[in-house]
Amino acid sequence: AQTVTQSQPEMSVQEAETVTLSCTYDTSESNYYLFWYKQPPSRQMILVIRQEAYKQQNATENRFSVNFQKAAKSFSLKISDSQLGDTAMYFCAFIRYNNNDMRFGAGTRLTVKP
Amino acid sequence: DTEVTQTPKHLVMGMTNKKSLKCEQHMGHRAMYWYKQKAKKPPELMFVYSYEKLSINESVPSRFSPECPNSSLLNLHLHALQPEDSALYLCASSQGTGQGPNYGYTFGSGTRLTVV
Repeated sequence: AQTVTQSQPEMSVQEAETVTLSCTYDTSESNYYLFWYKQPPSRQMILVIRQEAYKQQNATENRFSVNFQKAAKSFSLKISDSQLGDTAMYFCAFIRYNNNDMRFGAGTRLTVKP
Repeated sequence: DTEVTQTPKHLVMGMTNKKSLKCEQHMGHRAMYWYKQKAKKPPELMFVYSYEKLSINESVPSRFSPECPNSSLLNLHLHALQPEDSALYLCASSQGTGQGPNYGYTFGSGTRLTVV
């Protein structure tokens, strides 16, 4: 079974600063996908960024980037130039290649302070 | 259309009631999902439909009954629920397996269910 661990229940950052959220996972698979989802108080899960395990290059989406360390089974999310609208729960998620069973970590509540 | 639409947004039901949650997408996705999310917890997978067939049931009690009438619609029928079933129920959709890279799931905004 695959497990996803987020060890930071809560984090805060000042507006315009940079913050990194941690995620580790455990799997025996070699092909899989990793995602970061954001869930603001409006409760809709929003895809932030995705990473394909067979690609060594770290994914980047505007202010969001990941540090994917496959050997260490680590997948951290860096948010640059934090904005008030980034305040939300952030979930790390894992899914095996060619499967339909996305699993989530426990989440990190991020607060961006003005 | 890049949305997953869930109705109703809020639902209060008694333990003897029968109700249904509805989910609709028009993105041509061939996999649809139900997740249950308790407060301050991650979403937990309940059911997966792949190409309109039930492919995963995560040992969900029979008082929850999923239905996939066609590739765009997903229902969750509720009967004789317990107060501990109160939660946010999220629907999601994605490309089917074998349809290329996995670009993640698109989620609806959920139905907030309260069982009294």
